[in-house]
Amino acid sequence: GNSVTQMEGPVTLSEEAFLTINCTYTATGYPSLFWYVQYPGESLQLLLKATKADDKGSNKGFEATYRKETTSFHLEKGSVQVSDSAVYFCALSGANFGNEKLTFGTGTRLTIIP
Amino acid sequence: DVKVTQSSRYLVKRTGEKVFLECVQDMDHENMFWYRQDPGLGLRLIYFSYDVKMKEKGDIPEGYSVSREKKERFSLILESASTNQTSMYLCASSLILYEQYFGPGTRLTVT
Repeated sequence: GNSVTQMEGPVTLSEEAFLTINCTYTATGYPSLFWYVQYPGESLQLLLKATKADDKGSNKGFEATYRKETTSFHLEKGSVQVSDSAVYFCALSGANFGNEKLTFGTGTRLTIIP
Repeated sequence: DVKVTQSSRYLVKRTGEKVFLECVQDMDHENMFWYRQDPGLGLRLIYFSYDVKMKEKGDIPEGYSVSREKKERFSLILESASTNQTSMYLCASSLILYEQYFGPGTRLTVT
């Protein structure tokens, strides 16, 4: 079955540091890949997505590239801010009707200190 | 803006009680989902539905059932609540093959 493995947390960085959160997956076929973010006290919201190999998803300065050869979708940001403190979830879903359930990683808690 | 609402933010129930968690979406989405979120385990799918009166088991359906009588409403039912069902429950909805939108969550405590 499908599975997602992401970097264990928590991760603590200083403001303006470079961020990488690793995510690898196991899936049959050609899944779509997502990063969701959960800010303190809020529910999950989509951060970015990629639906096919070599696609790059980007939003709010974050980027992730769908690498089929390494089955990875690592999240990166060049300069983090305090407001980026949140829990980040990597997820995948099937790309066909009836197979759209999301399989999530365990989440990585990120704390940015000023 | 898509809005997914859940009936309660916090709920405390006793062991053995029947518990109903309600979810409503206002964007005419075909798909609706129920997840539970536990520390260290991420989110796990309980049930999903791709049409009215249709349901599919997710990864952890045991001890739960669902009901979807109207397109906008998807209910999660704990037939006989147990302490191991204490968790955060998240509802989501989506158009077919599009991103999922999540509700604010219901934190359920079973004592």
